[in-house]
Amino acid sequence: EVQLVQSGAEVTRPGESLKISCKCSGYIFTNYWIGWVRQMPGKGLEWMGIVHPADSDTRYSPSFQGQVTISADKSISTAYLQWSSLKASDTAMYYCARRRLGPGGSRFDYWGQGTLVTVSS
Amino acid sequence: SYELTQPPSVSVSPGQTASITCSGDKWGDEYASWYQQKPGQSPVLVIYQDTKRPSGIPERFSGSNSGNTATLTISGTQAMDEADYYCQTWDSSGEVFGTGTKVTVL
Repeated sequence: EVQLVQSGAEVTRPGESLKISCKCSGYIFTNYWIGWVRQMPGKGLEWMGIVHPADSDTRYSPSFQGQVTISADKSISTAYLQWSSLKASDTAMYYCARRRLGPGGSRFDYWGQGTLVTVSS
Repeated sequence: SYELTQPPSVSVSPGQTASITCSGDKWGDEYASWYQQKPGQSPVLVIYQDTKRPSGIPERFSGSNSGNTATLTISGTQAMDEADYYCQTWDSSGEVFGTGTKVTVL
């Protein structure tokens, strides 16, 4: 059974750093991209970026380039999303999702349960 | 950046058909996927490659893609289908999600 299990909710202050995780199991981790998606309170889904665990190839949405770092550790089948200096506007739910890419295009077929990040002074 | 536009809301009576549109100028070149998100839950893939249903998704969910518009259709809508729905595609610039549609079953 494919599972993506994310780390727990975080409450932090502006200016602090943070790294959240997405532990993947039930499939060959290095065969699929992992994506991160932001959902601000009451808003829609926003694609942040993707990482391929086999070689750590990473792509970012222009909206998030330079704002976050996406990485993966294939030895423990875990992907990460990190910030070096959080802002109140980073308050949101963050989802990881497995990405399938093929002749039929791209889709996110399995999703984590989400990690709620709250940034408040 | 590439944008996918959906109607903010769609209302449907139980047992009737709901159609959710997703407008973009690249549908002739790219495939559409659709996700259902219920309150407090993670998104679930319901349609991919324009028309295909993942295992476990009811047959009442179907998709199409023509011209500049991809469409998700829910036939015989049930109360459990009340949720937000998002279209999604990708190109060389990356992934993009639609603006989202709230489906209300009245």
